[in-house]
Amino acid sequence: AQKVTQAQTEISVVEKEDVTLDCVYETRDTTYYLFWYKQPPSGELVFLIRRNSFDEQNEISGRYSWNFQKSTSSFNFTITASQVVDSAVYFCALSEVGAGNNRKLIWGLGTSLAVNP
Amino acid sequence: DGGITQSPKYLFRKEGQNVTLSCEQNLNHDAMYWYRQDPGQGLRLIYYSQIVNDFQKGDIAEGYSVSREKKESFPLTVTSAQKNPTAFYLCASQSTWDGEQYFGPGTRLTVT
Repeated sequence: AQKVTQAQTEISVVEKEDVTLDCVYETRDTTYYLFWYKQPPSGELVFLIRRNSFDEQNEISGRYSWNFQKSTSSFNFTITASQVVDSAVYFCALSEVGAGNNRKLIWGLGTSLAVNP
Repeated sequence: DGGITQSPKYLFRKEGQNVTLSCEQNLNHDAMYWYRQDPGQGLRLIYYSQIVNDFQKGDIAEGYSVSREKKESFPLTVTSAQKNPTAFYLCASQSTWDGEQYFGPGTRLTVT
């Protein structure tokens, strides 16, 4: 069965610390996509990144970086030099092919990150 | 501006009343989704629709109903049969080919 595990429920860091959010997934698909979303206190989910199963290159976007490793079924997210504005709940998600070849997302339970001044 | 709108942002109802949450998108996406989120919890799928006039139950469809008469609109009705309707409801549409979902701002429903 498809599953996404975010083992860290809550993380608290001090501003400027680096922090890594873990995501481990299970799937039988050979083609799949992985996602990270951010949910700030306002509630709306904001897309951060999409990675397909054939592309294991790490990605960096400013202070954000992602480490995709198929060998360990992990897609971890690192924030470098964290800022107070990074405080949010972060969700990892896995796409699965549903009926009609459409895709649903399987969601982790989220990691709540608090960055303190 | 392309995106998803949900209205209202906050909604209050008395127990026993049905209530309909609005979701509209102008992204020309075929697929649309409704999720429920409870405090400190992840997203749980209520219903989804891949095409107009068709929809499927998600993981927690009991006590909810939907319609998809237009591509742009996917309203969710929370019926009186839903035992714990107070929650944050998120609507999303999906770009079919890659699965990325685009979310609305959400509706926070309180039933007393």
